[in-house]
Amino acid sequence: NAGVTQTPKFQVLKTGQSMTLQCAQDMNHEYMSWYRQDPGMGLRLIHYSVGAGITDQGEVPNGYNVSRSTTEDFPLRLLSAAPSQTSVYFCASSYSGGQGTSGANVLTFGAGSRLTVL
Amino acid sequence: AQSVAQPEDQVNVAEGNPLTVKCTYSVSGNPYLFWYVQYPNRGLQFLLKYITGDNLVKGSYGFEAEFNKSQTSFHLKKPSALVSDSALYFCAVRDSGNTGKLIFGQGTTLQVKP
Repeated sequence: NAGVTQTPKFQVLKTGQSMTLQCAQDMNHEYMSWYRQDPGMGLRLIHYSVGAGITDQGEVPNGYNVSRSTTEDFPLRLLSAAPSQTSVYFCASSYSGGQGTSGANVLTFGAGSRLTVL
Repeated sequence: AQSVAQPEDQVNVAEGNPLTVKCTYSVSGNPYLFWYVQYPNRGLQFLLKYITGDNLVKGSYGFEAEFNKSQTSFHLKKPSALVSDSALYFCAVRDSGNTGKLIFGQGTTLQVKP
């Protein structure tokens, strides 16, 4: 059971380049989400998904695309990278369950992907 | 809209002393509240959560949190701090819809000095 796996761990891009951050989970969680972490800003939600084929925007979606073709995978695409997208990106997953389920609603995070856009 | 505030950027405490990291929230309906910790250059780890029941919630590594509905607070506490507790702590609230979304606070850096 690997949990949430993100690749790559580090990436340097030039302005205007595109790339995809990969995220996969093997826990059969229905919810998946992408956050970015910037100093002093906490974690801000980019996009999220409540199941295969269903995605929606979070707080800071501009410049990012997502898709969810399977329960396991939730890639984040940067279409035309900008220096403002320099950040650490975290993918997370969770499941709903009932209130008494100890793991319900608890996000499991990947190790993070550090992206630098020059 | 749901929101979370962590009023302190940094908390300094001496090893062995009790620690408190503050969190206040704003939600519509019953709150689902969480604390996460991030050690340097690591991902985020779950510490504890409040859904319903006892106002004092116990979690990992000896941490606990007190839910106070009248003050809309969910402060993280530990009776005796360790140097190894030094990390970045995040409070979070679940979004009102059942979407798995969490809204995070800005984070508080805890520095425990020997």
